[in-house]
Formats: sequence, C-alpha cells, structure tokens
Amino acid sequence: EIVLTQSPATLSLSPGERATLSCRASQSVSRYLAWYQQKPGQAPRLLIYDASNRATGVPSRFSGSGSGTDFTLTISSLEPEDFAVYYCQQRSSWPLTFGGGTKVEIK
Amino acid sequence: EVQLVESGGGLIQPGGSLGLSCAASGFTVSANYMSWVRQAPGKGLEWVSVIYSGGNTYYTDSVKGRFTISRDTSKNTLYLQMNSLRAEDTAVYYCARGRDETSFFDYWGQGILVTVSS
Repeated sequence: EIVLTQSPATLSLSPGERATLSCRASQSVSRYLAWYQQKPGQAPRLLIYDASNRATGVPSRFSGSGSGTDFTLTISSLEPEDFAVYYCQQRSSWPLTFGGGTKVEIK
Repeated sequence: EVQLVESGGGLIQPGGSLGLSCAASGFTVSANYMSWVRQAPGKGLEWVSVIYSGGNTYYTDSVKGRFTISRDTSKNTLYLQMNSLRAEDTAVYYCARGRDETSFFDYWGQGILVTVSS
C-alpha cells in the first residue's frame, strides 16, 4: 500500500498569504496524484488532478506541482473561503490511498 | 446537473448488515467508475470500493469479503452492501464519481452516516 504523508498537519496563515502544502508518497506514483479541499460538514471537492491540472471551476490561485514521490499544492493568496482541510490522493496502485490531511487555519 | 444522493445509513449493531444506496442524476452510473469513500468521525478519508464501467470491482483489504459494491442500470443507482459490520466501520460514507474513467473523484454525494454500536 502506498502511504501518503502530508505536511504540515496544520498551517496557520492570514488571508492574502501564500500557502504551501506538501504530500510525500512512500513510493513513486508518477503524476497520478490529486488534491481535494474539504470544509466542515461538506463532501470533499476535487481541486487538482494528475498532479498539476486544475479541475473545472477551480480558481487559478490553486496550483499543483511535483511527480514521483514529492508533490506540492500552492495557494498563491489565501481567500477567506480557502481555510479548510486539504487531502492528497493517489491512483497509481491499489488500494487507492489518501494522505492524512493538512488543515489551513486562520492565524 | 450531476447529483449523487446517498441513503440507507443509520445505527446498526456489531455483526449486523446494512445497505447503502446512491441515486445518481445527470450522468450514467454504468458508464463511469464509481466508488465509495468513508470518513470516520474526526478522521481523514479512506477509499472503500470501486466498480468500473466494465463491471470489475475492487475493495480495500479491511472490507474484503464483508462489503459488496454493485449498481442497477435501470435505476441509475450505486449500492454498497455491508455485512458483518464492526465498530471501526463507523463513518460517513460518500459515493463518488471517477473523473474521465479514472479514480480521481469529481462529484461526491453529501454523505450518509453509518454508526456501528451496541
């Protein structure tokens, strides 16, 4: 099973700041990695797929990069609605796995 | 408009059985990869099972032999039959559609709570 490790667990930032979230895989997942945003009481929302492709309707302030084992989600300038939990997910091999999440909170 | 609506959750005793349904609209379930993903209270996301458009199915190890994913083409509905339930199966269960025949999930249901407790 591929283990995805997200860091940091919590990121405390102010609106307008840049957020950089990391996801590290225990073995290569090529570029088969996605990022999701989840707000309390809501289902996750797909942000990025195949490491760097924005999903439909996702603002351009969200960007993804990386390949192999190291991936990054960057939010260039935090908006109030961006404070949430973010998960990475791989589809390179079974079972599909998610990272433990990074909570982006208001400082 | 794509929509997924789960039903069938609730409180069940350990060892019991429960069936979840996910009614889809705006697209055809049988033409897509469809998954169940769960989230234990206060925890992260865990993929449970997938059914491919071709009918192949896969499960995470912890539910193999206990859970069965299926679909009904005439009802455009996805199902998850859960048997021999354990306390650790307690979670919100989401059905989700795979984007473009992949297992990245572009549409999710609202989730349904399953509580396994005596």
